[in-house]
Amino acid sequence: AQSVTQLGSHVSVSEGALVLLRCNYSSSVPPYLFWYVQYPNQGLQLLLKYTSAATLVKGINGFEAEFKKSETSFHLTKPSAHMSDAAEYFCAVSDVNTGNQFYFGTGTSLTVIP
Amino acid sequence: KAGVTQTPRYLIKTRGQQVTLSCSPISGHRSVSWYQQTPGQGLQFLFEYFSETQRNKGNFPGRFSGRQFSNSRSEMNVSTLELGDSALYLCASSPAGTGNYEQYFGPGTRLTVT
Repeated sequence: AQSVTQLGSHVSVSEGALVLLRCNYSSSVPPYLFWYVQYPNQGLQLLLKYTSAATLVKGINGFEAEFKKSETSFHLTKPSAHMSDAAEYFCAVSDVNTGNQFYFGTGTSLTVIP
Repeated sequence: KAGVTQTPRYLIKTRGQQVTLSCSPISGHRSVSWYQQTPGQGLQFLFEYFSETQRNKGNFPGRFSGRQFSNSRSEMNVSTLELGDSALYLCASSPAGTGNYEQYFGPGTRLTVT
């Protein structure tokens, strides 16, 4: 069965520091991987997705993620945190066996310290 | 294109009542998925509809049901509400196809059961 593990339910970084949010997945076939961001009282917004093209995926707002098959990871990074990056981040996986069903991680709350 | 819309945005119901939530997908999208989001359980998949047929179903009791109309709009219904049904209910739409299509989320309906 597919699953996603996000290490660290809360991450704090200083403004201007590197952001690293971890995501590990399990899937029996090549996965499709996604990162979403959720601001308070809003729905989820897609940051980026991996669908077996380039292993380094660039998304919106300066975020990027690297697919590492050997580590079954899809960590999200941003070189320099901004106050507006404070939000909840979710990693999700799907594959051809799940149809359009997404499996989400439990989320990581990012705090940016001024 | 207009985004995914959900109505109502907020709802307060009493235990034992039933509720119907509505979701209008992005124009041209034929798949609609529903999720329940709670602080304790995170994002949990309820079901997915594609071309008026339920294609995937999560692990929820039969009190949770849904349907999709010919214009792809979808409704979900919860009967005999329980306190534990209090949650943010998110709807997501995606184009036809499976797996490698991102889902676009609406702002959610905040349901409070008293």
